[in-house]
Amino acid sequence: DTQMTQSPSSLSASVGDRVTITCRASQAISKFLAWYQQRPGEVPHLLIFETSTLQSGVPSRFSGSGSGTEFTLTISNLQPEDFATYYCQKYGTAPWTFGPGTKVEV
Amino acid sequence: EVQLEQSGAEVKMPGESLKISCETSGYSFVSYWLGWVRQRPGKGLEWMGNIYPGDSDTKYSPSFQGRITISVDKSITTAYLHWSRLEASDTATYYCVLSGRAFDFWGRGTLVSVSS
Repeated sequence: DTQMTQSPSSLSASVGDRVTITCRASQAISKFLAWYQQRPGEVPHLLIFETSTLQSGVPSRFSGSGSGTEFTLTISNLQPEDFATYYCQKYGTAPWTFGPGTKVEV
Repeated sequence: EVQLEQSGAEVKMPGESLKISCETSGYSFVSYWLGWVRQRPGKGLEWMGNIYPGDSDTKYSPSFQGRITISVDKSITTAYLHWSRLEASDTATYYCVLSGRAFDFWGRGTLVSVSS
């Protein structure tokens, strides 16, 4: 089965920063790569699907890219509400594996 | 409006069985995959399995295969997650998720505590 890793596992940033999180798959996967945000104490929610398509209502400062085994989530102009944990996920064919998460903190 | 209404928190002892539920509304129940995601306290998200209510096709994570059963009742548009024998390590919040694209919609979670 394909394993998903994320780097870094955590990062410190400031409001206004540009942040990039990398997600790597142990073997090439299709475009079906999603990103989720989970704020402390909240339910996760979908940010990006199919590698780069923003879910409805997600601010345009979030963007996704990548292909094959390497994918990135970029947050430009980090806002206070963006301090959270971010997970990538391979989906479409089982297993729908999550990455271990990247915590973005002050 | 899509709604995923999960059953309430549970406190169980090791070895007991448990079935938690996810009552859905607001969309065509038989046309979209439903899944379950585990989150242990302070830990990350773990995909457990998905079911397609239209034909009950079910996919399990290798990590959970044989330990859980995912099912649906189409008559009441509800999905279930069942354990026959709980372990302390099953203590977690369990999310019901609806897949339109990826996991577009999430229930609020059911906290399961297993302790002797």
